Order: sequence, then structure tokens, then C-alpha cells
Amino acid sequence: DQQVKQNSPSLSVQEGRISILNCDYTNSMFDYFLWYKKYPAEGPTFLISISSIKDKNEDGRFTVFLNKSAKHLSLHIVPSQPGDSAVYFCAARVYGNNRLAFGKGNQVVVIP
Amino acid sequence: NAGVTQTPKFRILKIGQSMTLQCAQDMNHNYMYWYRQDPGMGLKLIYYSVGAGITDKGEVPNGYNVSRSTTEDFPLRLELAAPSQTSVYFCASSYQGSNEKLFFGSGTQLSVL
Repeated sequence: DQQVKQNSPSLSVQEGRISILNCDYTNSMFDYFLWYKKYPAEGPTFLISISSIKDKNEDGRFTVFLNKSAKHLSLHIVPSQPGDSAVYFCAARVYGNNRLAFGKGNQVVVIP
Repeated sequence: NAGVTQTPKFRILKIGQSMTLQCAQDMNHNYMYWYRQDPGMGLKLIYYSVGAGITDKGEVPNGYNVSRSTTEDFPLRLELAAPSQTSVYFCASSYQGSNEKLFFGSGTQLSVL
């Protein structure tokens, strides 16, 4: 069963506009959430994370929002740049567990 | 500063052959992981290690073996390759486990024909 779900697998956005990626989860024991970015032929790289005790975390152009009651988080990229074109994975962890559950990923294409 | 290094980058195997995917990290990380990514899917954890001499199964360990004789190296062994093992394999490491960001290698594209 898929505990971390990323629907709408691809997103196209104009350079300078906002990109919003969504992630839903089913396991209420998740306490830490991460976003990874992946370019073709490369491994994923860490982008931003958020603890379940927070509802927002911001790092430059990237902001992650967490709605625990809805079991939903989102990643906002503002403004979007061509270099942001990549696949974005949402991941989640149960406290004390070394395993991360990954979503299927969202392809983002930023149009110059 | 190499980070996580995986070899080979590409490999084609025949059914029943065996091979070892190599992974090395130079960041003195305690935790190391092997993931596989099938087309259109997320990453699935195969095996992980919390330190030299200690390994544990992930979500999809069948058909694989690992060892961790040093902090730096974490090879993944396929003993009898099957078409279902066609995938992209990623090795990753972290200092304190999954509450910290993982550093990934660039991946190994494996095809079993």
C-alpha cells in the first residue's frame, strides 16, 4: 500500500510564476517530511524538510506547508526558474524508524 | 569531495547471472541505504545499515544481499538476476539516520534480460 501519494504527476509552469506540488499521506505516525529533487541521470538531492510540530518551513524560494489534520503537505516554489525543472519526491518517516516512504514523484517543467 | 560513489553506472545481465553493485561514501556517515526505483514509481528501500557490521532489511530485500565491513563501503549483491530486478539502484548515506537528509549516489541502471 502506498503511504505517500503524489498525484498530478507532471506540472508545467511559466518562469517567474509559482509552482505548487502536493503530497498526501495515510500514516498518522509520520513525524518528519522531506522533499527531494532529482535531475535525469542523477541521484535525488535533499531540498527541504519539515517536522510534524510545525506547519511551515521556508528556505529561500522553497516553502513547505504541512496540514496534519488533512494529512497533506505542499511544496511552493516562488519564483520558478528553468533550473527547477526536475522530478520532485515527497518522503515521510515514522519516528524512530530508519525507513523513508517515498511518493512516486512529480515532474516539473519550467518554461522560460 | 566525492560524496557517494556508485559503480557501475550501467549494466546488462542475463537471467541467473550475479553481480555486485558497489557503493562508497567519504563523509564518515554511519547510515547507508540501498533503494531501487522502478519506472514511474517512488524509491523502495532494499537494505540499510546503521554502522559497520550491522545491516537490516528494508521493504523489498528478496533477491539481494548486503554487507558492511567498513564505514565507507556498502555493496549490494544480486545472486540470481531476474527480470523483475530491472531497475535503477541508488545508494545513499546519512550521518544520523532518516531524520537527516540523505546523500544519494548517481545511480546504477540495471537491465536483466
